[in-house]
Amino acid sequence: GAGVSQTPSNKVTEKGKYVELRCDPISGHTALYWYRQSLGQGPEFLIYFQGTGAADDSGLPNDRFFAVRPEGSVSTLKIQRTERGDSAVYLCASSPGHGEGEQFFGPGTRLTVL
Amino acid sequence: AQSVTQPDIHITVSEGASLELRCNYSYGATPYLFWYVQSPGQGLQLLLKYFSGDTLVQGIKGFEAEFKRSQSSFNLRKPSVHWSDAAEYFCAVGDGYNTDKLIFGTGTRLQVFP
Repeated sequence: GAGVSQTPSNKVTEKGKYVELRCDPISGHTALYWYRQSLGQGPEFLIYFQGTGAADDSGLPNDRFFAVRPEGSVSTLKIQRTERGDSAVYLCASSPGHGEGEQFFGPGTRLTVL
Repeated sequence: AQSVTQPDIHITVSEGASLELRCNYSYGATPYLFWYVQSPGQGLQLLLKYFSGDTLVQGIKGFEAEFKRSQSSFNLRKPSVHWSDAAEYFCAVGDGYNTDKLIFGTGTRLQVFP
């Protein structure tokens, strides 16, 4: 399909481990967003990219979280030394530009930290 | 800082009945407002958005919403609910003068009885 895809769909890891979550945006979309959705909550903004650069990373909770988008397309969210509180669904979205566009969301990656 | 309140955590309606989901926002200037729907296993899908102009906006799937500045509200309505409308509904506001950082409410879960 032509939508946003995220892999893996589910990830179970142990406390203290490192994880990478991948997002493939819609082809041609220059803006890419990461959100985190905890159980019973709405999505919470983490970071957004315009092209290859992180335009706003104010939502990253601490320095264990890092995201890259080296070629302006695929993005990887990296979490070091995972904690049980990191368990959530991580959502990725993309949009054609920035400012007034609709964000198209992927199905998410459910991360469980044991 | 901007915020969104969805006062109803869970709403149950009968199929064919009318629906109104409440959303209140906190923002000093004219906000960018959105309603998204999230079905199990699906990504968030945009129902409608308000940027400016006519305060009654039409969306997909027969939904509409009305922006009321005096009440800081953006309630979602549908005249006749279908069983397939059962889902989680999120109201969101753009942070600042663009939509790159969406602030979501906690959501309203809609249950539809036949």
